[in-house]
Amino acid sequence: AQSVSQHNHHVILSEAASLELGCNYSYGGTVNLFWYVQYPGQHLQLLLKYFSGDPLVKGIKGFEAEFIKSKFSFNLRKPSVQWSDTAEYFCAVKGGADGLTFGKGTHLIIQP
Amino acid sequence: DAGVIQSPRHEVTEMGQEVTLRCKPISGHNSLFWYRQTMMRGLELLIYFNNNVPIDDSGMPEDRFSAKMPNASFSTLKIQPSEPRDSAVYFCASSLLAGGQNEQFFGPGTRLTVL
Repeated sequence: AQSVSQHNHHVILSEAASLELGCNYSYGGTVNLFWYVQYPGQHLQLLLKYFSGDPLVKGIKGFEAEFIKSKFSFNLRKPSVQWSDTAEYFCAVKGGADGLTFGKGTHLIIQP
Repeated sequence: DAGVIQSPRHEVTEMGQEVTLRCKPISGHNSLFWYRQTMMRGLELLIYFNNNVPIDDSGMPEDRFSAKMPNASFSTLKIQPSEPRDSAVYFCASSLLAGGQNEQFFGPGTRLTVL
């Protein structure tokens, strides 16, 4: 069975700080990896995804993530966060099964 | 496109009552997923359909939960009888096909409270 671990449940940063949210997965085969964001009161939206090719993927709103196969990791990064990035961030993996397996989420708060 | 549509957005009911959650996937999508989000367990896949056929319902917590997809544009998730521990946000998602490189698009969710 596949699983996803997000290291930080709550992160508080100031505007313009750099962000890195950790995500590790467990699955022995080929995986597809995703980061979703859930803004307050809104539904899940896809930030970025990795299927194959360049392990550094760029998503919307200046986010990027790097797939490191040897570390089973897919960390999310943004060089300079904004107040509007306050949200819940979910890492997800799709391996053998077709449904997504999500991490518990990281609640990010950006202080102005 | 209106995206994935779910109704109701909020539901408050009493323990023992039947609850029916509804979902309309994005037109043209062949796969539909039901997820549940709780503080304790996060987001969990309950069941998914390909071309209206249930493929994997191993995530359905117990027999009180059932899901149907009578046609390509409509699905229901029913809880009968409901219990307080069923309180959660239930998300529906759809994609072109369950496999392959297809993104799942999520609906706004139904926040269920069972008293």
